[in-house]
Amino acid sequence: DAGITQSPRHKVTETGTPVTLRCHQTENHRYMYWYRQDPGHGLRLIHYSYGVKDTDKGEVSDGYSVSRSKTEDFLLTLESATSSQTSVYFCAISRQGTEAFFGQGTRLTVV
Amino acid sequence: SQELEQSPQSLIVQEGKNLTINCTSSKTLYGLYWYKQKYGEGLIFLMMLQKGGEEKSHEKITAKLDEKKQQSSLHITASQPSHAGIYLCGAPGNAGNMLTFGGGTRLMVKP
Repeated sequence: DAGITQSPRHKVTETGTPVTLRCHQTENHRYMYWYRQDPGHGLRLIHYSYGVKDTDKGEVSDGYSVSRSKTEDFLLTLESATSSQTSVYFCAISRQGTEAFFGQGTRLTVV
Repeated sequence: SQELEQSPQSLIVQEGKNLTINCTSSKTLYGLYWYKQKYGEGLIFLMMLQKGGEEKSHEKITAKLDEKKQQSSLHITASQPSHAGIYLCGAPGNAGNMLTFGGGTRLMVKP
């Protein structure tokens, strides 16, 4: 299995609070991604990174920010969580930007 | 933007039966990836196809990319309960360094 760890695996938070999800890799892959998975919408890309401090938006980036200060860590922050951000969040890594390996997911519930 | 449509959306088969899942793209595919997701878990990479007419097999799962590179099929022979899960196809997005996904096919195998 690719060395990807997501933390936390489960989180319940209140509306309006900030939340940070962490993705840690041990593969030294250049590309890292954050997706969310929702019934009826499949997997949608939130943000991705193509190197340290190099990030770009995906199709559903509103309300989310990311940071990558080290190759191995990619953080996803919800500045002020809303109920519409209740979802399962997946981190993925890729060496060359296409074939991707996924983490186990973080189930986030915003109440 | 490229869109991937999977069919069927869900499938229930009797153990031992063969089945096929399709993934159709709105544009020419320059790579097609198949993943499997067990319920509540992350995505597991199955296969990658790049050339028109290419076919790959892994155990009892065979994937093909048609000559025109706009459709891929995933065929499972003699299905088993262990094949149950969600199958997703993914393809490089507009920027080429991320994957966009189809909506998934939920497979259930009845013993």
